[in-house]
Amino acid sequence: NAGVTQTPKFRILKIGQSMTLQCAQDMNHNYMYWYRQDPGMGLKLIYYSVGAGITDKGEVPNGYNVSRSTTEDFPLRLELAAPSQTSVYFCASTWTGGNTIYFGEGSWLTVV
Amino acid sequence: EDQVTQSPEALRLQEGESSSLNCSYTVSGLRGLFWYRQDPGKGPEFLFTLYSAGEEKEKERLKATLTKKESFLHITAPKPEDSATYLCAVQAREGTYKYIFGTGTRLKVLA
Repeated sequence: NAGVTQTPKFRILKIGQSMTLQCAQDMNHNYMYWYRQDPGMGLKLIYYSVGAGITDKGEVPNGYNVSRSTTEDFPLRLELAAPSQTSVYFCASTWTGGNTIYFGEGSWLTVV
Repeated sequence: EDQVTQSPEALRLQEGESSSLNCSYTVSGLRGLFWYRQDPGKGPEFLFTLYSAGEEKEKERLKATLTKKESFLHITAPKPEDSATYLCAVQAREGTYKYIFGTGTRLKVLA
């Protein structure tokens, strides 16, 4: 099992550009999450999904969109990138009744 | 509002100097409390899950304990390779798919 795989690892965007962060898991987990981590601020939930076709907002959803067309994939879309979106983004997953969540290695995004 | 607070923010220890990290929480019905280790440039790595007050879990030099209001991560005789950021998270019974994270404790163990 590869676990949770995120791409790209690093990306620099210009203000106003758009991009998609990819996340895939091969553990057949139904719950998937996107977090952002800023220095000294902990992990903040952006969006989550409880299964294919079902998504919902977390604490900080503004400026982002997600989709969940399959169990395996949970891409995060950034529209009109802003400097405030400079952060490290982590995708995570777990299963129903799971006692922990498993994280990907992270995607470092800089908006200039 | 569900909340997790970790202290201290940063901790420097000499090799072999035992200490404890604190995670205090307020949550409407605790489903689980989790400890993660995060190395620079990496995603959080799962360490422990605690479910009820009085529960303890151990792994090598680490021991996690839980009360009704807080959890401690005890580090006994730490080594430089224990240097990392340690994150605490809680999962509430309501909205059981949501995990709330603290800001972490940055631990540095000096040789």
